[in-house]
Parts: sequence; structure tokens; C-alpha cells
Amino acid sequence: ETGVTQSPTHLIKTRGQQVTLRCSSQSGHNTVSWYQQALGQGPQFIFQYYREEENGRGNFPPRFSGLQFPNYSSELNVNALELDDSALYLCASSLGGTAGGTGELFFGEGSRLTVL
Amino acid sequence: AQRVTQPEKLLSVFKGAPVELKCNYSYSGSPELFWYVQYSRQRLQLLLRHISRESIKGFTADLNKGETSFHLKKPFAQEEDSAMYYCALSYGNNRLAFGKGNQVVVIP
Repeated sequence: ETGVTQSPTHLIKTRGQQVTLRCSSQSGHNTVSWYQQALGQGPQFIFQYYREEENGRGNFPPRFSGLQFPNYSSELNVNALELDDSALYLCASSLGGTAGGTGELFFGEGSRLTVL
Repeated sequence: AQRVTQPEKLLSVFKGAPVELKCNYSYSGSPELFWYVQYSRQRLQLLLRHISRESIKGFTADLNKGETSFHLKKPFAQEEDSAMYYCALSYGNNRLAFGKGNQVVVIP
């Protein structure tokens, strides 16, 4: 069983740039969620994808966008980067989507983004 | 809106002493509560969920709807319990609201 993998692990960008983060879900999982974890905070829900459609969104502006591919892998895109976007971005896969789900998320190790 | 509060940031306990991590929540729907744990150099993982009503690694947590709490307890702390613990609330379709977390340090 392959776990959740994320890339890149670390990256540095400057204000105004754009970034794409990638996630491969755990084998057999059809739902991918993205979370932002700022330093000293708990993860905060950005959005979720189920069967290539956005299936819920947290309190994040439209410059945060995503995609899910037929193999259930996913991308998180952030445009017009701001200093406050510096954080650990976590991807989590699960079984569920509109079917509900057990609440058990399987997390990747995260992509640490620094915006200068 | 849903909210999860974990009041203490850092908790230091001696090995063999009891551990209790407090979690309170605010949610208008029927709550589903979880504890997630992150050990050093490992990824965030599920520890236990209230619906299972089971003890995992000696930890238990009881959902108290009257007090809107889901405190995590273990009677005798072990060194391997040193980790970051997050309380989380599911508000539908595996979307979770997390608290800020508790850093637990078990002193040998």
C-alpha cells in the first residue's frame, strides 16, 4: 500500500509569484483534501476534491485553486503569493466524498512554502 | 461555524503520571470528534475517534455533549507518548476543523 506523497518538500518563492504543489493519494482513495498549517497552528481546511470536482472549500480566497486528476492525484495552486501564505501545506487522502466518510484522513509529510 | 479549542499549548508530565489534554468544540450539527497525533519526524495520523469508543495506546476520550468537550486521557504516561496532539471536529464529508494542538513532553 502506497502512502500519500507530496512534492516538493520545501520551496521558496517571492511575493506575487505563483506556486503549484502536488499530491499523490494513497492507493484506493478517491478524495483529496488540502490543509494549510501556519507555524504554531493546527491545520486549516482549504478545499477537498472528490472524483475530480471540488467538494467543499474553507475560508480561503479564489487565488487558492486546485485540481484532481483521474488517478486521484491532486494539485494545489496559489497565485499572487503573499507573505502570509508561508506555511506547511498538507495533503490528505481518504475514502468518502459525498458518501460521507469515516473522518480518517491519511496525511502526507507536507510541502513547506516560504514566501519572501 | 465550527471551532475547536485546545487551551494548553505545552504539557510536561513525568513518566507514569496521568495525562489529560483538554478539547472543547463549538458546532451546530451533530459532532464527530477525533484526536490526531504527530510523533517526531512522522506524519500526522489518527489516534482515535469518539464513535469507536475504544482505547488506543492506552488513551481514551469521551464525548460530552453537555460540556461540548472531548478530552483525551491516559492514566500512566510513557516516554513514547511524547508528541503533538490535535483535536479535530468533522463537519461533513471528511472535512476537519483542527485545534491548535498540544505538545506533550514525557519526562523520564
